[in-house]
Amino acid sequence: QQQVRQSPQSLTVWEGETAILNCSYEDSTFNYFPWYQQFPGEGPALLISISSVSDKKEDGRFTIFFNKREKKLSLHITDSQPGDSATYFCAASNTNTGKLTFGDGTVLTVKP
Amino acid sequence: EAAVTQSPRNKVAVTGGKVTLSCNQTNNHNNMYWYRQDTGHGLRLIHYSYGAGSTEKGDIPDGYKASRPSQENFSLILELATPSQTSVYFCASGTPTGSQNTLYFGAGTRLSVL
Repeated sequence: QQQVRQSPQSLTVWEGETAILNCSYEDSTFNYFPWYQQFPGEGPALLISISSVSDKKEDGRFTIFFNKREKKLSLHITDSQPGDSATYFCAASNTNTGKLTFGDGTVLTVKP
Repeated sequence: EAAVTQSPRNKVAVTGGKVTLSCNQTNNHNNMYWYRQDTGHGLRLIHYSYGAGSTEKGDIPDGYKASRPSQENFSLILELATPSQTSVYFCASGTPTGSQNTLYFGAGTRLSVL
């Protein structure tokens, strides 16, 4: 049973549009949700994160919306730029283990 | 800036051979992790460590061993490599702070088992 699910698998938007990436999870003990960004040939790098005590986290053009009751979260990228084209991973962990469980990723393409 | 270095960056191995992937971190992080990344599967945890001398099984440990001889170094060992272990392997380090656990990843090792 996959613990963290992401949708869509791939997403294409035009420059300037808002990209919305979705994530859901199964384990109710998860309390920390980072999003990682990965460019081809590189390792993933932390983009933005949220803890379960918050319902929104904003950092520039990137915003996480979190719904604890529904076990869902989403990453909104406003004013998308071609340089945002990458694979985005949603991940989850709990304080007990510290292990991060990753979703399968969303490949975002931003067309100029 | 956190620094995690993996070696080699690329490796071709033969079926049944022994493969060792190495990882070094200069961040003094307690925890280190090995993930593999395959198309359609995201990142899956193989082994991890809480410190020197410790290794723990992740979600897909079969066919892999790990070794953490020091705070800085964490190795992944394939005793008898199989073609199904062809993948990109990522090492990461981090030190959980409260509920947060930021991982810093290396650039990856691309392994092909023929």
